[in-house]
Amino acid sequence: NAGVTQTPKFRILKIGQSMTLQCTQDMNHNYMYWYRQDPGMGLKLIYYSVGAGITDKGEVPNGYNVSRSTTEDFPLRLELAAPSQTSVYFCASSRGQFSGANVLTFGAGSRLTVL
Amino acid sequence: GNSVTQMEGPVTLSEEAFLTINCTYTATGYPSLFWYVQYPGEGLQLLLKATKADDKGSNKGFEATYRKETTSFHLEKGSVQVSDSAVYFCALIEGANAGKSTFGDGTTLTVKP
Repeated sequence: NAGVTQTPKFRILKIGQSMTLQCTQDMNHNYMYWYRQDPGMGLKLIYYSVGAGITDKGEVPNGYNVSRSTTEDFPLRLELAAPSQTSVYFCASSRGQFSGANVLTFGAGSRLTVL
Repeated sequence: GNSVTQMEGPVTLSEEAFLTINCTYTATGYPSLFWYVQYPGEGLQLLLKATKADDKGSNKGFEATYRKETTSFHLEKGSVQVSDSAVYFCALIEGANAGKSTFGDGTTLTVKP
């Protein structure tokens, strides 16, 4: 039972490059989320999805894009990378949004450095 | 908007000491409250949760009670172990909106033998 799998674990980008962080879950969860964690800070929600074909912005969406073509996959795309996007990125999923279903299961994280 | 305020760290304790990490929140609705723990190099994992006022969440000797009157969800453990060393995050999720998850900044706990 893999849970939430993120790739890559580490990546160094040059300013202006683009890349995609991959996220896959095998729990048949409807809801998926992307967060970023800056040093000494809590998690900030970038984008989330309540099901295949549906995505919505979170607190800090600028500079990112997402898609949700299947229940399992929720890739995060960084276009024109900037140093401000240096962070640790976490993908998470949950069964639903209401009590009993809203526990988040997190991936191990992807550490991105933009130089 | 919603917010979560955690006791600032880092916190350093000796093994078998009593632990309290304070967490207070503001929310417009009736959120579920969570404590997540992050061990070095890993993602966050659920420690405990409470879904309504006066609920007590507990797991692995940790406890927290959902106090609506004081808008608090303080984490406690009677006797910490070296293996409890980690970063602890208080969080809330509003039931009516899947995107309304709010995390505190985290409290780093180090337990010394």
